[in-house]
Order: sequence, then C-alpha cells, then structure tokens
Amino acid sequence: DAKTTQPNSMESNEEEPVHLPCNHSTISGTDYIHWYRQLPSQGPEYVIHGLTSNVNNRMASLAIAEDRKSSTLILHRATLRDAAVYYCIRGDYNNNDMRFGAGTRLTVKP
Amino acid sequence: DSGVTQTPKHLITATGQRVTLRCSPRSGDLSVYWYQQSLDQGLQFLIQYYNGEERAKGNILERFSAQQFPDLHSELNLSSLELGDSALYFCASSAGTGPWDEQFFGPGTRLTVL
Repeated sequence: DAKTTQPNSMESNEEEPVHLPCNHSTISGTDYIHWYRQLPSQGPEYVIHGLTSNVNNRMASLAIAEDRKSSTLILHRATLRDAAVYYCIRGDYNNNDMRFGAGTRLTVKP
Repeated sequence: DSGVTQTPKHLITATGQRVTLRCSPRSGDLSVYWYQQSLDQGLQFLIQYYNGEERAKGNILERFSAQQFPDLHSELNLSSLELGDSALYFCASSAGTGPWDEQFFGPGTRLTVL
C-alpha cells in the first residue's frame, strides 16, 4: 500500500513546465509529502518536500492542496535531464515508513 | 555523488547462499535505510537504523537482517537466498529520523541469485 496515487506516465516538451500530480487522500495531519526522482541506472534522489505550505527550491516547486489530499510537483522548465521516474511519498510520522509507489515516468521530448 | 557508498556494486550467487551488503552513510548522518527494488515490486522499504538502534521496519523478510555498527556503517544480511531475491538493494542515509528528513541514496548493489 503506497498510500499515494500517481499517473503511470507523462510526456513533456523540453523547456516547457511540467505538472506532476499526486493524490494522497488518506494523509494524516502529521505526514509530510516528499518527492524523489530516479534517473536511469541511479538511486533515487531527493527533489522536494513539504507539510502544508507550498515550497520552492532550486529544482522544483511543490503545490499542496488546502485539504492536503493532493499535491503537484512543478518543474518550471523541463530539460532532457529531467527524464526520470518521479515518486510521491507520504512521510509517515509514526513509523517513518517511506512507501514508494510505482511513480510517474516522465518523458521529455526535444 | 550523494556521499553514500555501497559495496559491492554487483553480486552473483546461488540459491541457498548467504550474502552481506555494506553501506557507509554520508558523513554526519545517523540514520541508515535499506530498500529493495525489483522489477515487479518497485522500490520497497526494508528497515531503518538510527544511531545503532532499529527505528522502523518495513517489508523485510525473516531471512534478511541488518545492523548498524558504532562507526554508523550498516550491513544487510540476506540468507537462504531465493531466485526472487534478485534485485537492486539501495541504502540511504539521513541526518535525523523524522519524516521530514531528506534521504540520500547510494548507487545500489545489484544482487543476482542463480
């Protein structure tokens, strides 16, 4: 039970924004929302995380719905190097069990 | 480079055997996590240690065990290996133990059981 739902795949054009959605309808008040990505033949790498407020960092932005039942990872200008599997994960406060789902495979077209 | 190292990079062994995978966390990180990634199961959390103590347990089989040593490196022991244990095994580390902590992943150990 990954506790999050994401589309299996998405496509984007290079240099265009990408919005990757995630549903986490059973999230509890203390669960964090994390995004990681996994490039081919590499281990996952951290992208961003948040609790209630929208977050920005050098890689991406995270928009969290007011009811926290969904969130969106925003890549402002996709590059070919952003092609990866993106995982949305609930950080369970009680047991710190990071459950990765199947993720969204992002393809970036030149 | 995440700063997390894993050895060996590749491991080929036979069913019924026992292997040990090793992980060195980033300097200063106290938590170590182990994950298994197989084609049909995706990335699965196995177990977490924090400063030498077991902190959280995921879908870890009884044939598998782990420990974290005083120098904070960790080992994952897999015994009575089966074909289905063939997978990529990742280690990750973080500074703390909270669900807000960023995890840094190593490059993985690819285990093939023949």
